[in-house]
Amino acid sequence: DAMVIQNPRYQVTQFGKPVTLSCSQTLNHNVMYWYQQKSSQAPKLLFHYYDKDFNNEADTPDNFQSRRPNTSFCFLDIRSPGLGDAAMYLCATSLQSGGAYEQYFGPGTRLTVT
Amino acid sequence: AQTVTQSQPEMSVQEAETVTLSCTYDTSENNYYLFWYKQPPSRQMILVIRQEAYKQQNATENRFSVNFQKAAKSFSLKISDSQLGDTAMYFCAFMKWVNSGYALNFGKGTSLLVTP
Repeated sequence: DAMVIQNPRYQVTQFGKPVTLSCSQTLNHNVMYWYQQKSSQAPKLLFHYYDKDFNNEADTPDNFQSRRPNTSFCFLDIRSPGLGDAAMYLCATSLQSGGAYEQYFGPGTRLTVT
Repeated sequence: AQTVTQSQPEMSVQEAETVTLSCTYDTSENNYYLFWYKQPPSRQMILVIRQEAYKQQNATENRFSVNFQKAAKSFSLKISDSQLGDTAMYFCAFMKWVNSGYALNFGKGTSLLVTP
């Protein structure tokens, strides 16, 4: 089945130690998103890629970066994680061709910062 | 800026009963999309139903239907014949244009518990 895959599902990192989360998709969607969801809160958009075009939300911290080497893969890099970065990170994809389409979400990666 | 408000943090319903989750939003746009997403305890976000603002007819997907009141900027979700598997966090979301793509602006969610 076509899907959005996130690895790892659980990630523990130390304060200040760089960490990379990965997302892959078999849907061949042209847009990929990263959301941050803290406990009992709504998901918050960090950035998205429209094809190869990177778009950063204005309030996304500089500590967060992303790479999309090809259509199928997208990475979230946290350069120096702080305790406040502990959250669930959700990857989503959508196919946008002249209109708005629903987003398909991966299962998320739960990041713990010690 | 678009804001999405879900005024019911938690709700409970008995199995087989009907429950309605409320959502209001604020926008100055005329054409937009609204969604309800479900996030079960396993955390996979799943689309429940979508509504295009230009359509007057309310969307329906099996046991799930919406009451879309564009003038009132209201978008409630009705779940009929509730099942235990409907237990989840439900997010109302407004799709907004951000730079070169669309993204979802979520409400804070309503935690729904379906009891036997």
